[in-house]
This record gives sequence, C-alpha cells and structure tokens, in this order.
Amino acid sequence: AQTVTQSQPEMSVQEAETVTLSCTYDTSESDYYLFWYKQPPSRQMILVIRQEAYKQQNATENRFSVNFQKAAKSFSLKISDSQLGDAAMYFCAYRSTGTASKLTFGTGTRLQVTL
Amino acid sequence: NAGVMQNPRHLVRRRGQEARLRCSPMKGHSHVYWYRQLPEEGLKFMVYLQKENIIDESGMPKERFSAEFPKEGPSILRIQQVVRGDSAAYFCASSRLAGTDTQYFGPGTRLTVL
Repeated sequence: AQTVTQSQPEMSVQEAETVTLSCTYDTSESDYYLFWYKQPPSRQMILVIRQEAYKQQNATENRFSVNFQKAAKSFSLKISDSQLGDAAMYFCAYRSTGTASKLTFGTGTRLQVTL
Repeated sequence: NAGVMQNPRHLVRRRGQEARLRCSPMKGHSHVYWYRQLPEEGLKFMVYLQKENIIDESGMPKERFSAEFPKEGPSILRIQQVVRGDSAAYFCASSRLAGTDTQYFGPGTRLTVL
C-alpha cells in the first residue's frame, strides 16, 4: 500500500518570502500522480498543483511550483512571494494510474503567513 | 459551472440516529469519491462509486456505513446508529473520468454526534 508522509506539522513564512513544504511517499509503482491540495479555514479542499510521474519537468502554477525527485520519492511544494491568503493546511496526495483512483493523503502541514 | 455540492454543510445527530449525507457531482462527472477527515488529521478514502455501481469500498467501515450513487439524483453516504467516533468532516469529490482525471472536492459535511 502507498503511504504519504509530511514531516512538517507547521511552517511559518513572512509575507513576500518563499517557503518550501516537504512530502515523501512510498510506492512500488512506476507511474502515478501526485497532488498538493490547500485547505483554508473554510475547509474547502482546493487543488493547488498536479504532477504526473512520467513527466520529468516539474509542474508550476503561477507562484506555486514543485520539486519532484522520483528516485528519492520526494515531492516538495514551493510557494514564492507568499501572501496572507496562502495561510492554510496543505496536503500532499498520491494516486495510482489504475482504475482504483483513490487519493492517499499525508497528514498535512499548517502554513502560517506573517506580516 | 457549479462545483461539487454537498448538503447539509453541518449535521448534528444524537447517538443511535441515522445520518444521510448528499453529494451532487460536477456536471458531466460520473465518478464520485467519499473521504472522511477526523479532527486534526488528513483525509482518508472511504468509497468510490460510478453511477449505480460501487467500484472500491476498501475504506468503508464494515458495519453501519453504506453508500449509493443512483442513476438519477445525488450520491448518498448513510451512517446508521451513529456513535461519537463518527464525528468528522465528510468530503465528496467527483471526476469526469477514472484513472487519470483530477478529483474536485465539495465543501464537506461536518457531522457532530452528541
């Protein structure tokens, strides 16, 4: 079974600075998908970024980018120019490419953004 | 273009009562997933359904929990004889296709069992 580990329960960043959230995973599969979801205080789960394992190029979405290291099974999220609205819980998630389709989530990292 | 809708947003039940949670997927989506989030934890997969079929229920508790996704109408997660340990946020997600497609989440239903 796949597992996802987020070793940073809490992180803090100053507004306009850059922060990196860590995620590692364990799998025996060669092809899969990785995601970062954001959960603000409203508790709505919002997709931040998605990475296909077969793609070597790291995914980027505006101020959000990932560092995907397949051999190391590492998938970190970098947030540049942090804004107050980035404060939330961030969850890393894994999904196989088969029809099973379920997401396996990490325990989350709470990000605080300070002035 | 409405997103995934869940109702009610908040549900309070006394121990022993039944809870029914509803999920309407995004338009054009025929795959529905239910997840549970206990306080201060990540989301845990419960069940995956397509129209009229349960595809994967490996995360569902063996007793008291059931799910359906009828041909017409929303998907329903039903919890019979609720206990305090069922208190959690229940999220529904939907996707257009299986396998490769992104899952989009609803706002969740927060169940409180007194």
